[in-house]
Amino acid sequence: DQQVKQNSPSLSVQEGRISILNCDYTNSMFDYFLWYKKYPAEGPTFLISISSIKDKNEDGRFTVFLNKSAKHLSLHIVPSQPGDSAVYFCAARGRSSGDKLTFGTGTRLAVRP
Amino acid sequence: KAGVTQTPRYLIKTRGQQVTLSCSPISGHRSVSWYQQTPGQGLQFLFEYFSETQRNKGNFPGRFSGRQFSNSRSEMNVSTLELGDSALYLCASSEGAPGANVLTFGAGSRLTVL
Repeated sequence: DQQVKQNSPSLSVQEGRISILNCDYTNSMFDYFLWYKKYPAEGPTFLISISSIKDKNEDGRFTVFLNKSAKHLSLHIVPSQPGDSAVYFCAARGRSSGDKLTFGTGTRLAVRP
Repeated sequence: KAGVTQTPRYLIKTRGQQVTLSCSPISGHRSVSWYQQTPGQGLQFLFEYFSETQRNKGNFPGRFSGRQFSNSRSEMNVSTLELGDSALYLCASSEGAPGANVLTFGAGSRLTVL
């Protein structure tokens, strides 16, 4: 039962354009959402997060949008750079203390120069 | 500050064998989580430890086990290996109690079962 879904396994974008990565979740108890980025041969690194009390969080070129009614979040990268090429994982956690972090299957982003 | 260190980085085993993977968290971090990454499945949660106690467990068979030592270092063990256990095993640490949102991951241990 995949509670966090990333339906696009891959995405290719031209350098300088916007990259939009999508994530859907099924568990209405999730209230904190994160994006991690993973380069080959390295562990995932934290990128940006958003609490369920917000619908947008911005950090430089990265913006995460949350639509609670649709149980959907997205990560926007503007402008996209070749160094952004990586696998991006969406993750979510519930309200209870000690809830585990549930990850999606990942989207491989390729930014073409 | 040194990051999360996982050993070994790569290993090859045959079916039926067992394997032990090690994880040294960031100094001062007391929570350690383990995840399995396979193509198409993303990161699947294995277990989380805090103060030498398992605080959370994923949906894996009993062949998968772990422990945490008093210095917060953690090990996970997989017995009676199956071909499907081939994966990247990732360890992550976090400060404070379980349930932290930001995990710091190691580079992983890539296990191949032949």
